Amino acid sequence: SQTIHQWPATLVQPVGSPLSLECTVEGTSNPNLYWYRQAAGRGLQLLFYSVGIGQISSEVPQNLSASRPQDRQFILSSKKLLLSDSGFYLCAWSVDRGIDTQYFGPGTRLTVL
Amino acid sequence: GQQLNQSPQSMFIQEGEDVSMNCTSSSIFNTWLWYKQDPGEGPVLLIALYKAGELTSNGRLTAQFGITRKDSFLNISASIPSDVGIYFCAGQLVSYKYIFGTGTRLKVLA
Repeated sequence: SQTIHQWPATLVQPVGSPLSLECTVEGTSNPNLYWYRQAAGRGLQLLFYSVGIGQISSEVPQNLSASRPQDRQFILSSKKLLLSDSGFYLCAWSVDRGIDTQYFGPGTRLTVL
Repeated sequence: GQQLNQSPQSMFIQEGEDVSMNCTSSSIFNTWLWYKQDPGEGPVLLIALYKAGELTSNGRLTAQFGITRKDSFLNISASIPSDVGIYFCAGQLVSYKYIFGTGTRLKVLA
């Protein structure tokens, strides 16, 4: 069966510091991968998605970036965090066979101080 | 941009009662998904709907894909305390892109 991992689970970072969040998927090959952000008490905002190694599409202009160095690894990064980057970051995967049902990881709680 | 209107925003119900929530949009969707999210955790997929008019059940949960493809509803029958959480709908516009509702926060009173 497929599983998705995210780490760290929680992170507290000062403003202006760099960020690296990692997501890995097991039990499937060539998944579509996604990064979402969820502000407190709100819905999910799609940040990036990837359909293959090195292929990244950005949905929202911001100081975040994403990379996919391996088939089942997706990384969210920032060179300098802003206060507004605080939130709950969720990674998701899907296998597109004409139907793109998405499954989420456990999330990373990021607090920028 | 596209939006999903999810209602109600929150609801308090007594254990054993049935629950109904829905999502509507001005956009047409190809797929509807319903998720439940517990505090501090990622959303868990409950039901996926792929065809207009489709009615699908998962235990005490039933969801329907509206005929117009612009809406969907989720029903929970005979609610129990562990049904507490936030329920999200998500509509697929095009490949790889889902629009999420703002969630329905459900609280069950024992």
